[in-house]
Amino acid sequence: DAGVIQSPRHEVTEMGQEVTLRCKPISGHNSLFWYRQTMMRGLELLIYFNNNVPIDDSGMPEDRFSAKMPNASFSTLKIQPSEPRDSAVYFCASSPVGQTSRGYTFGSGTRLTVV
Amino acid sequence: DAKTTQPPSMDCAEGRAANLPCNHSTISGNEYVYWYRQIHSQGPQYIIHGLKNNETNEMASLIITEDRKSSTLILPHATLRDTAVYYCIVTGSNDYKLSFGAGTTVTVRA
Repeated sequence: DAGVIQSPRHEVTEMGQEVTLRCKPISGHNSLFWYRQTMMRGLELLIYFNNNVPIDDSGMPEDRFSAKMPNASFSTLKIQPSEPRDSAVYFCASSPVGQTSRGYTFGSGTRLTVV
Repeated sequence: DAKTTQPPSMDCAEGRAANLPCNHSTISGNEYVYWYRQIHSQGPQYIIHGLKNNETNEMASLIITEDRKSSTLILPHATLRDTAVYYCIVTGSNDYKLSFGAGTTVTVRA
């Protein structure tokens, strides 16, 4: 099992550019989460998908952020246009059904720097 | 509205047991205690969880007090690779949201 796979591992972009982060959850997991981590705010849940359907997007900071899950094996988080304050580490996590006996499995994250 | 309180940091000697406390005095009857850790530059990693009884797995032991208002995560033989931020999280069994606080930064020293 390769775990949750995120790409790219690092992304540096200029302010105003579109950024797309990608996530491949563990096969068979039907819950997917996007988290953002900054020094100031710690780990924050951005959006939660269950069976490819967005259930809770209350953590998405503003309209510049959007997330999709076109199928069970792929999700994207897009920022358009990007701003310096979006610089953070973005984590994707998956689980079989919400909370499980093994918890969530997180990916290694994408470190985004917007200059 | 923090549900848990943890010390900001603690040191531990390599090879010794590390005991990480967590207070959760407002925990509800159907809420679990979860522990995750985050090693530098990695995503959070699930360690263990429990409801009432003490739990043990290959990584750690979880001791929950009888009144469930506090718990202790025990790393039986800490190694340098256990240096990480440890998060204690209280959440319901049907609650999908993990609310990570500041956690405890554990440094294992040789």
